[in-house]
Amino acid sequence: AQTVTQSQPEMSVQEAETVTLSCTYDTSESDYYLFWYKQPPSRQMILVIRQEAYKQQNATENRFSVNFQKAAKSFSLKISDSQLGDAAMYFCAYLITGNQFYFGTGTSLTVIP
Amino acid sequence: NAGVTQTPKFRILKIGQSMTLQCTQDMNHNYMYWYRQDPGMGLKLIYYSVGAGITDKGEVPNGYNVSRSTTEDFPLRLELAAPSQTSVYFCASSYDGQTYEQYFGPGTRLTVT
Repeated sequence: AQTVTQSQPEMSVQEAETVTLSCTYDTSESDYYLFWYKQPPSRQMILVIRQEAYKQQNATENRFSVNFQKAAKSFSLKISDSQLGDAAMYFCAYLITGNQFYFGTGTSLTVIP
Repeated sequence: NAGVTQTPKFRILKIGQSMTLQCTQDMNHNYMYWYRQDPGMGLKLIYYSVGAGITDKGEVPNGYNVSRSTTEDFPLRLELAAPSQTSVYFCASSYDGQTYEQYFGPGTRLTVT
């Protein structure tokens, strides 16, 4: 079975500080893609960052970066210099060939001014 | 460029009623998806389509039907609504199934009583 686990239902961070959100996944596939999506109160799903499993280099996107550990099946998201606008639900997801997208249960991030 | 639009935004159905959730994208994307998001959970894939005339089941297809007669439209049909179908429904589209991000609509909140 394909599963995505986010073990932190809630996290908080002080504005301007750094926070790391955890994600582990279970798959027997060798070729897949990993994503972090942000869902603010508006419910709109917004792509934060994407990682191809065949790439060893960790993806970065401005203040957002990932720590991808393929052998450990771990895909954590680091948010640097946290801003109030980063407050949202964050979902880890992965996509295998055949267009099957699997999402975790989410981590609610609070940014404290 | 409106992106992905969904109608209606909210709907209350009685048990046994039927309805169609509409989804339209204006980005000429080949791939379209329907997800449901239950409270406190991640998104689960209901159905997807890789192009006009082609649809396939996702993780939770029971109780739903889809069609894809045009590239732009991907309606989701609920034939006999049940309380278990109370959820928020998201439509998404992408240029292809893997390397490009999915663009999400704003969601439809459906309550079945």
